[in-house]
Amino acid sequence: AQSVTQLDSQVPVFEEAPVELRCNYSSSVSVYLFWYVQYPNQGLQLLLKYLSGSTLVESINGFEAEFNKSQTSFHLRKPSVHISDTAEYFCAVSSNFNKFYFGSGTKLNVKP
Amino acid sequence: GAGVSQSPSNKVTEKGKDVELRCDPISGHTALYWYRQRLGQGLEFLIYFQGNSAPDKSGLPSDRFSAERTGESVSTLTIQRTQQEDSAVYLCASSLGQYSYEQYFGPGTRLTVT
Repeated sequence: AQSVTQLDSQVPVFEEAPVELRCNYSSSVSVYLFWYVQYPNQGLQLLLKYLSGSTLVESINGFEAEFNKSQTSFHLRKPSVHISDTAEYFCAVSSNFNKFYFGSGTKLNVKP
Repeated sequence: GAGVSQSPSNKVTEKGKDVELRCDPISGHTALYWYRQRLGQGLEFLIYFQGNSAPDKSGLPSDRFSAERTGESVSTLTIQRTQQEDSAVYLCASSLGQYSYEQYFGPGTRLTVT
């Protein structure tokens, strides 16, 4: 079985500051890793994913995440956040795309 | 194009009643997932449909829960004899197919059992 831990339920940050949202997972098999984002009053949508290859992956809006196999982590980072980044972020893992395991989510609140 | 839709958006029911939740996936998506999200918790996998294959029901928490899918379209999640612990947001997602990693989520149905 697999599981995902997002230790931070809420992360307040000022606009233009850097942010890191932590994600750790446990699995006995190789996994694929994902970050989903849920903006206010919207459904979850894929932000970025790690499938293979380079362990550093990026999104189109400036977020990046690094797969660290030894630490079983996939932390999400952004060097400078915007008000529009305010949302809830979910980390997820899957070994076969049939079943996904999600973390409990981290609410990012960007303040002006 | 149209995204994943779910109905109703909100449902309040009395303990012991049966409820039926509906999901309309994106047209052409052969894979469909149901999740449950309790307050303050992550998404909990319930069931996975892929085309005409037998569904993966391994996440259904009890025999009060069941789900059906008509071909590669509409799915219904039925909860019989609802309990207060069934109160949650029920999310549906669809994807292009068995080897597709990107899920498209619906807005969810908020179920409250009183």
